[in-house]
Amino acid sequence: DAMVIQNPRYQVTQFGKPVTLSCSQTLNHNVMYWYQQKSSQAPKLLFHYYDKDFNNEADTPDNFQSRRPNTSFCFLDIRSPGLGDAAMYLCATSWDREDEQYFGPGTRLTVT
Amino acid sequence: DQQVKQNSPSLSVQEGRISILNCDYTNSMFDYFLWYKKYPAEGPTFLISISSIKDKNEDGRFTVFLNKSAKHLSLHIVPSQPGDSAVYFCAALHGSSNTGKLIFGQGTTLQVKP
Repeated sequence: DAMVIQNPRYQVTQFGKPVTLSCSQTLNHNVMYWYQQKSSQAPKLLFHYYDKDFNNEADTPDNFQSRRPNTSFCFLDIRSPGLGDAAMYLCATSWDREDEQYFGPGTRLTVT
Repeated sequence: DQQVKQNSPSLSVQEGRISILNCDYTNSMFDYFLWYKKYPAEGPTFLISISSIKDKNEDGRFTVFLNKSAKHLSLHIVPSQPGDSAVYFCAALHGSSNTGKLIFGQGTTLQVKP
């Protein structure tokens, strides 16, 4: 089945210790997105890739970076996690920007 | 400034009855609206969408209504089933901005009682 996969599902990191979250897709979609969702809040877009073009949201902290080495994979790097970065991180894909987005199961990040 | 609002954090409905989830938006440039369903420990799942050129879209038990003049949309589920119990997110897209940026509401938790 075509899908969006996120690994790991749960990640614990220490304050200030870099962490990388992974997303892969078998849908062959052009666009990949990273969202942050904190408890009881709406998912918030951090950035997206249209093919190899990186598009950062204006209010995404510099602490968050992303890489897309190929069509299938996209990574979220948090360079120095703070306690406020504890959240669910959702990866999504879409064929084009105006199409519905398909989400992975998310990675829940805990910062200790 | 929350551009997409779901004012009811929760809704409880009896099995077999209709569930109506509401969503309001403020940005008149939004031209595509989507509903997502989310179970605990899973990512949101796309449910149904509607373009701003329509006022209704139906898919099985799910119907979305759009009232552009009121900047309001609603999701109707009929008949409701216990498996429909989940968090429902309304989302809006400004398609012509070509950013792909979905703006989500805060979600409504639906509980369908057997």
